[in-house]
Amino acid sequence: DAMVIQNPRYQVTQFGKPVTLSCSQTLNHNVMYWYQQKSSQAPKLLFHYYDKDFNNEADTPDNFQSRRPNTSFCFLDIRSPGLGDAAMYLCATSRVREKNTEAFFGQGTRLTVV
Amino acid sequence: SQQGEEDPQALSIQEGENATMNCSYKTSINNLQWYRQNSGRGLVHLILIRSNEREKHSGRLRVTLDTSKKSSSLLITASRAADTASYFCATDAFVRGKLIFGQGTELSVKP
Repeated sequence: DAMVIQNPRYQVTQFGKPVTLSCSQTLNHNVMYWYQQKSSQAPKLLFHYYDKDFNNEADTPDNFQSRRPNTSFCFLDIRSPGLGDAAMYLCATSRVREKNTEAFFGQGTRLTVV
Repeated sequence: SQQGEEDPQALSIQEGENATMNCSYKTSINNLQWYRQNSGRGLVHLILIRSNEREKHSGRLRVTLDTSKKSSSLLITASRAADTASYFCATDAFVRGKLIFGQGTELSVKP
């Protein structure tokens, strides 16, 4: 049973055209993450939600925004994609109270910018 | 910025051999986790070790943690071709809910 679902698996967008990536979870986890991963590199944390609290990494470009309308869903909005934003985008969830537990990842959305 | 570095960046071994990967990190942590990623897929959690633990085992996996050196190692014993993947360590950087990854080791196990 899929627990963290990312749609679509592959997304092609035009340079400068806004695009939204989606993530949903059936785990009822309180923490959700968005990562950007480029070829042969580590996943780079863009932001995470701890419950409703939004945490933006200092080096996340302003071009990237996120929304979490409820516990189950989280969106990544790229306002004006550039060629350098082509990457795999990974969503993950975790049940965290005082300390972290394991994170569950979706299969990712591979974004191509043309 | 990423939390830590891993070495080696790439490791190629024969089936049946042991594989050791190392991870270093920069800040205090509550725990450290290891993940595996097959090419083009999401990450899968392998093992979590808390900051007050020094060693943990899970099947063919053995993880050590040295908080004084801010380092961890992952040992995979009796490796199999199916262990071929990238392996990443991740820490919370002592921030509740945060999870940031080291650079990763690409492991290739040849049959």
